Amino acid sequence: SQTIHQWPATLVQPVGSPLSLECTVEGTSNPNLYWYRQAAGRGLQLLFYSVGIGQISSEVPQNLSASRPQDRQFILSSKKLLLSDSGFYLCAWWDRGVSPLHFGNGTRLTVT
Amino acid sequence: AQSVSQHNHHVILSEAASLELGCNYSYGGTVNLFWYVQYPGQHLQLLLKYFSGDPLVKGIKGFEAEFIKSKFSFNLRKPSVQWSDTAEYFCAVNTYNNNDMRFGAGTRLTVKP
Repeated sequence: SQTIHQWPATLVQPVGSPLSLECTVEGTSNPNLYWYRQAAGRGLQLLFYSVGIGQISSEVPQNLSASRPQDRQFILSSKKLLLSDSGFYLCAWWDRGVSPLHFGNGTRLTVT
Repeated sequence: AQSVSQHNHHVILSEAASLELGCNYSYGGTVNLFWYVQYPGQHLQLLLKYFSGDPLVKGIKGFEAEFIKSKFSFNLRKPSVQWSDTAEYFCAVNTYNNNDMRFGAGTRLTVKP
């Protein structure tokens, strides 16, 4: 069966520090991968998505970036965090079929 | 880029009242449509989805949604809500032959016992 792992679950980082959030998927191949940020009153904001290794579509210009070094690995990064980067980050995968998105457990990021 | 609008930010109902939550999208082509629910302290879970066929879709827990192409809408309905339906509800849209999956801002539903 397919599973999605996202870590860490919580993270507290100072302003200006780098960020690396990792997401891996098991049990499927060549999935679409997504990074969302969930904020109260704003729903799930699509940040990045990827349809294959090295292919990244960016939805929101900001100081975050994403990479897909392997088929089932999706990484969200930042060189220098801002206070406004605080939030709940969700990774998800989709097989482009009739199934829904499958979400990871999320990472609560607090930038201090 | 296409967008998804949920105009009701917070809806408060009494038990047994009927529910309708609005969802509109801006894309003019073929779309796949979803409703997700997030109960307090829990993760998102799928309520129902529409890909093709009958525009009236039935989901779990007595929810249904109707796709009206001419109105670019996919409203969620339930004839009689329960206290346990208190949650946040999200509409999501994927444009056919595209790979994005966009969500609305969500509607918080509070059901009073």
